[in-house]
Amino acid sequence: EAGVAQSPRYKIIEKRQSVAFWCNPISGHATLYWYQQILGQGPKLLIQFQNNGVVDDSQLPKDRFSAERLKGVDSTLKIQPAKLEDSAVYLCASSLDTGAHQPQHFGDGTRLSIL
Amino acid sequence: AQTVTQSQPEMSVQEAETVTLSCTYDTSESDYYLFWYKQPPSRQMILVIRQEAYKQQNATENRFSVNFQKAAKSFSLKISDSQLGDAAMYFCAYRRANSKLTFGKGITLSVRP
Repeated sequence: EAGVAQSPRYKIIEKRQSVAFWCNPISGHATLYWYQQILGQGPKLLIQFQNNGVVDDSQLPKDRFSAERLKGVDSTLKIQPAKLEDSAVYLCASSLDTGAHQPQHFGDGTRLSIL
Repeated sequence: AQTVTQSQPEMSVQEAETVTLSCTYDTSESDYYLFWYKQPPSRQMILVIRQEAYKQQNATENRFSVNFQKAAKSFSLKISDSQLGDAAMYFCAYRRANSKLTFGKGITLSVRP
């Protein structure tokens, strides 16, 4: 079974530039999550999709962050414009459904550095 | 709001020895799930073990086991026969129905050869 695929693995940009991350979940997984992990902290949920609908985006800074999962499979997360505090690892995860018992399977993440 | 606390930032263990990682959480719910995830330097979070709050029996996965104390809201992870490949960050996490997965700050485990 192929795992969660993310790209790019690393990204360096200057503040005020824009950046996009891509995620392809495990085949058949209806639920997709984007997390932000700042150095030295645990991941924080940014947005959760169930198929192509948003379940929870309460912690997504909507003035600069956006995400979509148009066909209910792969997803993109965009930051525009980037700020210094956005430097973090962005993790994508997927699960079969939204059940709390369902294990979430994570990708390798994208490490974003803002100069 | 639910919180997950991992008070030890770092721990070290000798290869082949046993180590216990601590975690406490705060919730008013009776039905929820607890998880331990491992994150090696490669960054991929890997599920180590899961515990259902309604089960009294502690979960076990090979060399990994938990000590779940519901009344004390404690969920520690025991790693037996530690191996070099166990070196990583370990995160405790909590989730209840219709809510998000909440992680602790993590603990860095090093394994001495």
